Amino acid sequence: QVQLKETGPGLVQPTQTLSITCTVSGFSLTSYYMQWVRQTPGKGLEWMGFIRSGGSTEYNSEFKSRLSISRDTSKNQVFLKMNSLKTEDTGVYYCARDKGTFDYWGQGVMVTVSS
Amino acid sequence: DIQMTQSPASLSASLGETVTIECRASEDIYNGLAWYQQKPGKSPQLLIYNANSLHTGVPSRFSGSGSGTQYSLKINSLQSEDVASYFCQQYYNYPLTFGSGTKLEIK
Repeated sequence: QVQLKETGPGLVQPTQTLSITCTVSGFSLTSYYMQWVRQTPGKGLEWMGFIRSGGSTEYNSEFKSRLSISRDTSKNQVFLKMNSLKTEDTGVYYCARDKGTFDYWGQGVMVTVSS
Repeated sequence: DIQMTQSPASLSASLGETVTIECRASEDIYNGLAWYQQKPGKSPQLLIYNANSLHTGVPSRFSGSGSGTQYSLKINSLQSEDVASYFCQQYYNYPLTFGSGTKLEIK
């Protein structure tokens, strides 16, 4: 069955880089777009960006200068990296499978940005 | 960017009642609208796509309607397991945007 699971650090210091891995099973990354969404107290649900089945990426301009999405298809993993973190980046980060809409989501990983 | 205005922010209803949640887009999104349910401590789950198509496995008491800039989610015969927050999302254009959510409670 389709499963997605995010893993990452629970705590990141301001100005540092956030790295999150989304490990998937039950489908191929070469057949679906994979999306990243976050949920913060300040802005609610925010679309961050995606990686296409072919490997190219698109980003929300809100994050474009500091966000990077990549993948390793051999490991069934998608990666999110965001630098220059601020306290307002605190929230839950989700990966989701895109089948036109987001039909499967990971459980999310809580990230706190604090010194 | 397309703004999604969702109402009400919170809703309290009795078991068995019918409730409706509204979502208004800042421009025509041509039915590119999804509804998600998020239970406390869980990730959002897809309920409705293309404004009115029920996602696989979703109970038929959930339904979506609307067109243009106005959309709604209706829940018939409210059940205790429907306690959750509900979000609309437009996927007609990037950046994808979400409504601010409706928190549904049982009276």
